[in-house]
Amino acid sequence: DAGVIQSPRHEVTEMGQEVTLRCKPISGHDYLFWYRQTMMRGLELLIYFNNNVPIDDSGMPEDRFSAKMPNASFSTLKIQPSEPRDSAVYFCASSYGVVGRDEQFFGPGTRLTVL
Amino acid sequence: QQPVQSPQAVILREGEDAVINCSSSKALYSVHWYRQKHGEAPVFLMILLKGGEQKGHEKISASFNEKKQQSSLYLTASQLSYSGTYFCGTELYNQGGKLIFGQGTELSVKP
Repeated sequence: DAGVIQSPRHEVTEMGQEVTLRCKPISGHDYLFWYRQTMMRGLELLIYFNNNVPIDDSGMPEDRFSAKMPNASFSTLKIQPSEPRDSAVYFCASSYGVVGRDEQFFGPGTRLTVL
Repeated sequence: QQPVQSPQAVILREGEDAVINCSSSKALYSVHWYRQKHGEAPVFLMILLKGGEQKGHEKISASFNEKKQQSSLYLTASQLSYSGTYFCGTELYNQGGKLIFGQGTELSVKP
């Protein structure tokens, strides 16, 4: 398996623009997680899905952030409008089995810079 | 709710041992350990569950003290490849498997 795939790997945009990050989880995995990593706040869970259904979105910063999982092999994280404080590395991860009982496989991340 | 890791950073010579600690102010259901090398994604090391069950790589050793709400990761006979930032992720009760990660411990192993 190719592992978790994320695109783009790097994104530079200007404040106010819409940004869409994409993720393809490992085939057969039931859970998909979106994390954000910054020096100040560390690795934070934004939202996670089980069988394409959002389970916990309490980590989503504000209404400018939205995430969807239209099918088992694809998820998006959208920021509209983007702000400089959104600059971070965004990781997507997937896991199989009972959440919290099995390892999470992380994608390579998308490094987002908002100017 | 974020767990506290200690030390924040440690430098070792090859072959030396290290212990990384993770403490929570709340009761834990499980503790997960990940390692992240610079510019890369976190990689799974181990899960320690309430009741003593563990899942992880054979060469990694860790403990979970439920009463003290603490976990420790033991790195013995360190190798250069052990360098990286180690994160613990804690799962509280009734959180549906959601992990809260500590700030990380940066480990550097020198020749």
